[in-house]
Amino acid sequence: QEQLQESGPGLVKPSETLSLTCTVSGGPSSNHYYSWIRQTPGKGLEWIGYIYDIGTTNYNPSLKSRVTISVDTSKNQFSLRLSSVTAADTALYYCARARRDSFGMDVWGQGTTVTVPS
Amino acid sequence: DIQMTQSPSSVSASVGDRVTITCRASQGISSWLAWYQQKPGKAPNLLIYAASSLQSGVPSRFSGSGSGTDFTLTISSLQPEDFATYYCQQANSFPLTFGAGTKVEIK
Repeated sequence: QEQLQESGPGLVKPSETLSLTCTVSGGPSSNHYYSWIRQTPGKGLEWIGYIYDIGTTNYNPSLKSRVTISVDTSKNQFSLRLSSVTAADTALYYCARARRDSFGMDVWGQGTTVTVPS
Repeated sequence: DIQMTQSPSSVSASVGDRVTITCRASQGISSWLAWYQQKPGKAPNLLIYAASSLQSGVPSRFSGSGSGTDFTLTISSLQPEDFATYYCQQANSFPLTFGAGTKVEIK
């Protein structure tokens, strides 16, 4: 079945932009939404946003001013950019595939930890 | 945002026990609810979607019920591999939101 794999820097300086990529084996499918989610001990699981079809996006309003999710079908990838990061953006970041019929996230990457030093 | 409240936050149980976890939404979400299992160091794993539909490959001892604001995940006979943390997630409206989790521990 489809597999997802996150990649990107594990350390990002404050005020800089966090950039992560999720590689989708076989390429992103038009039958699914592709999301970014992050997890911290303090806030738990937080949905960042998703992308589907050619590039329709939906973002969490709490992050919307700083987030961009894009897709590169030629590379079988979708990406997350989060600008102006602070220590509060330190988290384990996951990419995940969501079912279009229910938004249940049925395939997840292994996750990648991003640290923003204070 | 819709707030998802899980209870209990932790439960101690023995192998073979029936375990029930509750999730309450701050407003009605119809059946737009999913349940996940997460083990340490691993990504969440989808168990139930649309409140009561069993994800392919998930053992039948897991079941979900409810609609509106109150939902339940039941493990009919707890197995050793079921000790984990369980999360609910609403998909009725954006932003998608998760509960804080329920940790199922060995008694």
